[in-house]
Amino acid sequence: DTGVSQNPRHKITKRGQNVTFRCDPISEHNRLYWYRQTLGQGPEFLTYFQNEAQLEKSRLLSDRFSAERPKGSFSTLEIQRTEQGDSAMYLCASSRKGNRDFLSIRPGELFFGEGSRLTVL
Amino acid sequence: AQKVTQAQTEISVVEKEDVTLDCVYETRDTTYYLFWYKQPPSGELVFLIRRNSFDEQNEISGRYSWNFQKSTSSFNFTITASQVVDSAVYFCALRNYGQNFVFGPGTRLSVLP
Repeated sequence: DTGVSQNPRHKITKRGQNVTFRCDPISEHNRLYWYRQTLGQGPEFLTYFQNEAQLEKSRLLSDRFSAERPKGSFSTLEIQRTEQGDSAMYLCASSRKGNRDFLSIRPGELFFGEGSRLTVL
Repeated sequence: AQKVTQAQTEISVVEKEDVTLDCVYETRDTTYYLFWYKQPPSGELVFLIRRNSFDEQNEISGRYSWNFQKSTSSFNFTITASQVVDSAVYFCALRNYGQNFVFGPGTRLSVLP
């Protein structure tokens, strides 16, 4: 399978515990995004990497959240001291930078993984 | 600030009916992209269409068509002769010169047999 892979698919944890999600993007994609989606809502941007550099972080990403992409390939999203409000689907997406990105034929279309659903009890 | 509005929360149609999903966006940028994604019950968001702000030509792909009108900041999506397999949540999204995609709240489409 050459799509975006996320694991675990489901995580149930008690409030206060730490959790970590992993995302393996499509291999030739140098951009990786994390989004959060709650029931009945659209995905909300959390953060974005180009290669190993974290270029943008949303204000939604509190100090308890940290994301890494150490070698520019897979990424991890860690949530420390989880709260019930953290319960959501965490989506990872990847895209490729085109030669003339914004005007290229395939300018940054996002390919999503199936998501990691977090339930905080 | 960027914003995407999908005023229709849920739509139900009977199979073979045509249905239009509305999307209105806000951006101060003159260069941007608009997208539609489908999220079936399995949960994975699937790319449907991309349109850049310089190209207002409408597009048709099989039973799907898109109407982009800059004058009204709208990018509506029409499914012709809907099928049960079209049942899903559909998201409109906007991306400007940065890398952040802003998604609308989605429209849940139910196609009844």
